[in-house]
Amino acid sequence: TQLLEQSPQFLSIQEGENLTVYCNSSSVFSSLQWYRQEPGEGPVLLVTVVTGGEVKKLKRLTFQFGDARKDSSLHITAAQPGDTGLYLCAGAGSGAGSYQLTFGKGTKLSVIP
Amino acid sequence: DAGVIQSPRHEVTEMGQEVTLRCKPISGHNSLFWYRQTMMRGLELLIYFNNNVPIDDSGMPEDRFSAKMPNASFSTLKIQPSEPRDSAVYFCASSLFGGYNQPQHFGDGTRLSIL
Repeated sequence: TQLLEQSPQFLSIQEGENLTVYCNSSSVFSSLQWYRQEPGEGPVLLVTVVTGGEVKKLKRLTFQFGDARKDSSLHITAAQPGDTGLYLCAGAGSGAGSYQLTFGKGTKLSVIP
Repeated sequence: DAGVIQSPRHEVTEMGQEVTLRCKPISGHNSLFWYRQTMMRGLELLIYFNNNVPIDDSGMPEDRFSAKMPNASFSTLKIQPSEPRDSAVYFCASSLFGGYNQPQHFGDGTRLSIL
């Protein structure tokens, strides 16, 4: 069974601070997706990383896929209250199992104004 | 464009009752997923349909759970009889096709409470 561990589980920071959240596994994934979920809503895709070592930027958010495609990180620069939410990473299987996403339990981020 | 639509948004019922959750995927998407989210276990895939056919139901907890997709625009997840441990948020998601890094588009979920 593939597992994704996310850390930290909870994070509360002041507006303007930087932060990094981590997504780790002992398994290799064909790709990794990051989602953000707000209370009362479903997860919304932020980015997909596919290649080992890949770095993608989305405004103040920087996503990195590990060289071995087993881990990923999300770095937020100058956090804003609007960044508050549950950040989920999800690893995709390969081949016939590529439809299957294994989700981590998430990092709950609170950005205090 | 309309996203994935789920109903009801909230359901509170007594143990032993039948519960039916409904989902309308995004038009043109041929893959549909049902998930369950709890604090303890996070998001878990229950069942995956491709072109209305169930492909993987290995995540369905037990025989009390069943899912159907009679056509491309409608799916149901049924629990009969319901138990308190079924309390969770149930999400439906659709994608253009399954796999190959396709993003999954989630509905806003049904929050189910079994008393």
